Amino acid sequence: ETGVTQTPRHLVMGMTNKKSLKCEQHLGHNAMYWYKQSAKKPLELMFVYSLEERVENNSVPSRFSPECPNSSHLFLHLHTLQPEDSALYLCASSQDVGRAVNEQFFGPGTRLTVL
Amino acid sequence: AQTVTQSQPEMSVQEAETVTLSCTYDTSESDYYLFWYKQPPSRQMILVIRQEAYKQQNATENRFSVNFQKAAKSFSLKISDSQLGDAAMYFCAYRTYLNSGGSNYKLTFGKGTLLTVNP
Repeated sequence: ETGVTQTPRHLVMGMTNKKSLKCEQHLGHNAMYWYKQSAKKPLELMFVYSLEERVENNSVPSRFSPECPNSSHLFLHLHTLQPEDSALYLCASSQDVGRAVNEQFFGPGTRLTVL
Repeated sequence: AQTVTQSQPEMSVQEAETVTLSCTYDTSESDYYLFWYKQPPSRQMILVIRQEAYKQQNATENRFSVNFQKAAKSFSLKISDSQLGDAAMYFCAYRTYLNSGGSNYKLTFGKGTLLTVNP
């Protein structure tokens, strides 16, 4: 595997379910991100991890719980979601070093549907 | 807070023709970076081109070029010799630092422009 991978690619869950999204980057990067992409809206940054520490939590509801066990893996744990949480969830990674212009590499996303 | 505006929800172009996608942004910073990302139907977002605000010269990557007007806070993308594979959603993004003096940053995206290429 190369680049940034995400599993599952599609997920349908009920409002009372608990599920997790997984992201893995094979690029040796030190920062990882979760974005939410809803129709007709800009991508929304949810969480940022740098060197496995959370550095940004963009006022995301507590029903979304991120976990970064190491620099290559990022999880998004989901519980008691609402139908409006249905969206494409994108993971990205980058190598953040000083003020260099570092590209964010994106995964293919997980299409989440909450019934 | 920085905002990014893409005023064209949809655009279309004939194959081999040129199309320009517009983007404006709002910021009080003087040193920043701008990006255009492409998201094809397969959904994998990929970087098309980047521009450093301190550089006056417009960035160019093969058939893709930008028209960066710093005073006007405008950052348009020109695609020359359009190809069928250029059909995608195009997102303009602004990079800002998460914290002062730090090395972590975040991207603020526009809503995107859906580009259709007609054969």
